Amino acid sequence: ETGVTQTPRHLVMGMTNKKSLKCEQHLGHNAMYWYKQSAKKPLELMFVYSLEERVENNSVPSRFSPECPNSSHLFLHLHTLQPEDSALYLCASSQGGGAPYEQYFGPGTRLTVT
Amino acid sequence: DAKTTQPNSMESNEEEPVHLPCNHSTISGTDYIHWYRQLPSQGPEYVIHGLTSNVNNRMASLAIAEDRKSSTLILHRATLRDAAVYYCILTTPQTGANNLFFGTGTRLTVIP
Repeated sequence: ETGVTQTPRHLVMGMTNKKSLKCEQHLGHNAMYWYKQSAKKPLELMFVYSLEERVENNSVPSRFSPECPNSSHLFLHLHTLQPEDSALYLCASSQGGGAPYEQYFGPGTRLTVT
Repeated sequence: DAKTTQPNSMESNEEEPVHLPCNHSTISGTDYIHWYRQLPSQGPEYVIHGLTSNVNNRMASLAIAEDRKSSTLILHRATLRDAAVYYCILTTPQTGANNLFFGTGTRLTVIP
């Protein structure tokens, strides 16, 4: 049990669908992150939230829309995706910045876009 | 972000020590050296981190060169459960969050 949960664990969606990925952390952290891991590529940082405010958007296309309603929950809203967006999407959390706190990762959501 | 260089893959026999190297010649004075690993079909997990001095925890040891341009993650006795991709990452703590930029890492194979 990592303390960071993600749902669903697997998702298949068509290019015209709209879906959302959910992440929840039970660790009392105040920073949350979305990463994308494509086959044979390094993990890519997508979005960073600190105290529910987005502090980084790493040049992610607008078809990915994050939402952080509170410090425990993070969503990634998906619409009009492309097949190349098929990947493992990982959520992580950590204590706030100012010190090298470790990140705790969830198990990921395996997304397939058809 | 400062870059790290790691071998693509390494092998180790079970129950033997493993030394995983990482070069980071452009490291800045405020960069911390972090190690994470990713087991098959799982998200990454934190292993250890350090700034200047060598560090030990229950999972591993981190040896940092005196000039900080390289470091070595040491697994004292490799087990089959240590087979994973190991990532060496430099981070500069920020006020909001601590971003991690992953490279390709070192894939460790443990031979029974």
